[in-house]
Amino acid sequence: EVQLVESGGGLVRPGRSLRLSCAGSGFTFDDYAMHWVRQAPGKGLEWVSGITWSGGRTAYADSVKGRFTISRDNAKNSLYLQMNSLTPEDTAMYFCARDASSSYVSGMDVWGQGTTVTVSS
Amino acid sequence: DTQMTQSPSSLSASVGDRVTITCRASQGIRNDLDWYQQKPGKAPKRLIYAASSLQSGVPARFSGSGSGTEFTLTISSLQPEDFATYYCLQHNAYPLTFGGGTKVEIK
Repeated sequence: EVQLVESGGGLVRPGRSLRLSCAGSGFTFDDYAMHWVRQAPGKGLEWVSGITWSGGRTAYADSVKGRFTISRDNAKNSLYLQMNSLTPEDTAMYFCARDASSSYVSGMDVWGQGTTVTVSS
Repeated sequence: DTQMTQSPSSLSASVGDRVTITCRASQGIRNDLDWYQQKPGKAPKRLIYAASSLQSGVPARFSGSGSGTEFTLTISSLQPEDFATYYCLQHNAYPLTFGGGTKVEIK
């Protein structure tokens, strides 16, 4: 079964850091680009970041550029999101999603169940 | 950035109704558009890719059309399990952008 499982969410103070992880299974992880998508409470979906299969190219939403870093370890079938300088506006459910291709231009065909990040003092 | 304007933001419909949701792109995106369904507390699920291709396992009552700047998701006969929120996503250019969502509620 193709599966993505996120972890690492929690409650964090403004200005602090958090690292999210996403473990892939049931497919050849390094055949696919990957994304992070978030959803603030009661709001719509917001794309956060994407990375190609090799990790050679990355992209970010303007709202997180310079604060968040996406990376992957294909040997561990894992995707990461390092989040620095967190603000309350980063409070959301964070989803890991598989791109339908090895680049990151084909939309997302598999999603994890999400991990919740709450930024509050 | 490419803005995606989705309409309506919500609608009420009955089982068996035909439902149409529209997304308009602020610039041409060819057919680089997907449609997703999300139920409360769940992850999104892809229904349509490349504007009009049905994702494997998705019922044939869902269909998509359009190209360039105007796109439509149609549910031909609404079923009880279809009450959910629907989003479009453009993946033609970065940053990727979602529409604001359409909540389909029971009339």
